[in-house]
Amino acid sequence: SAVISQKPSRDICQRGTSLTIQCQVDSQVTMMFWYRQQPGQSLTLIATANQGSEATYESGFVIDKFPISRPNLTFSTLTVSNMSPEDSSIYLCSVSIGRGVADTQYFGPGTRLTVL
Amino acid sequence: KNQVEQSPQSLIILEGKNCTLQCNYTVSPFSNLRWYKQDTGRGPVSLTIMTFSENTKSNGRYTATLDADTKQSSLHITASQLSDSASYICVVSPNTGGFKTIFGAGTRLFVKA
Repeated sequence: SAVISQKPSRDICQRGTSLTIQCQVDSQVTMMFWYRQQPGQSLTLIATANQGSEATYESGFVIDKFPISRPNLTFSTLTVSNMSPEDSSIYLCSVSIGRGVADTQYFGPGTRLTVL
Repeated sequence: KNQVEQSPQSLIILEGKNCTLQCNYTVSPFSNLRWYKQDTGRGPVSLTIMTFSENTKSNGRYTATLDADTKQSSLHITASQLSDSASYICVVSPNTGGFKTIFGAGTRLFVKA
């Protein structure tokens, strides 16, 4: 299993500013994932972050808007840049533990972001 | 296009009653299907995980079933409790490698006293 913590748990930010979200895992993992969950919606994958390489972004998400760092096997950050009200969402960090068909995905508690 | 659709969108039941949530998917082939519980303001927590060859998996009062022929899964909750009030999300992982899991929109369950 994996225990994931995120900071901050929530924040209210002004338009045009940036917020960096931290994700800490209690074990070493190869891949970490960042998701966005807009109000009333399901989870959407933003990017996959490998240690030692650039993150891989999904369609619709770009590095300039959501820069990601992965300095080691237990930590990652996601920055939401130049925020607008449309960025108001819950941002979730996730890891996958296990191998093959039985791998289990664990999620952090999320960071609830409100942009005014 | 790979999709995961859940029904109903929301459900209200009385404490102590049973309920069944549905998940239909078009993802094929798939590696595994999972059900998650997400409390308001929290991250999803895994309830069950089934590979394509499994038909049922239980976790306490939660029982998930899978019919790979009809591409349907259900989550049955027995003797519901107030703490079962949450969103229940069906997630399917395609058997294409990588981590392109596909999330359903979830069913919002309200358990009333």
